[in-house]
Amino acid sequence: EDQVTQSPEALRLQEGESSSLNCSYTVSGLRGLFWYRQDPGKGPEFLFTLYSAGEEKEKERLKATLTKKESFLHITAPKPEDSATYLCAVSITGNQFYFGTGTSLTVIP
Amino acid sequence: GAVVSQHPSRVICKSGTSVKIECRSLDFQATTMFWYRQFPKKSLMLMATSNEGSKATYEQGVEKDKFLINHASLTLSTLTVTSAHPEDSSFYICSATKEETQYFGPGTRLLVL
Repeated sequence: EDQVTQSPEALRLQEGESSSLNCSYTVSGLRGLFWYRQDPGKGPEFLFTLYSAGEEKEKERLKATLTKKESFLHITAPKPEDSATYLCAVSITGNQFYFGTGTSLTVIP
Repeated sequence: GAVVSQHPSRVICKSGTSVKIECRSLDFQATTMFWYRQFPKKSLMLMATSNEGSKATYEQGVEKDKFLINHASLTLSTLTVTSAHPEDSSFYICSATKEETQYFGPGTRLLVL
């Protein structure tokens, strides 16, 4: 069964305390893995797409990596404004997506 | 860019009335759009996949006669909640695909009194 699991469900970090969020997947025929950020009361904001194992992408304090079974979203020296829910999704066809339940990140000043 | 808009951003209506929500891709054409519903502190729940020029594909348990979806052009999809009831109150989010990536709208908060 195709599945996407994110961990942890919630994460509290002190400002400047680096950490990683995990997205593990069991799908047949991965076409792409996506990371989104969602602020309360808003739609998800696209962050990254990863297509193949070994691929990495960076944006400011965020770095996403991909293996054959999971993806990590590394947050380096986070700031309070990085507080949000981070969603992971995979696609197995052009129009079929599976979303994880998200990691709620709180960065404490 | 890949910008998706939704209108209205929030709507309050009386029980029994119908509400239409618009989803537009502003700077790209989208043959496929998705409609999601999100409950507080919960993840996205896919309601239906909307394909331009054809009937929408609804997820199991979603009433197609209650949630009418029309994707009349490559930049516009609409969701109409018919005969809305308080239990339909929720946050509705659309997305449009560009190069196999979903880009989301800002969401519409619906409150049915």
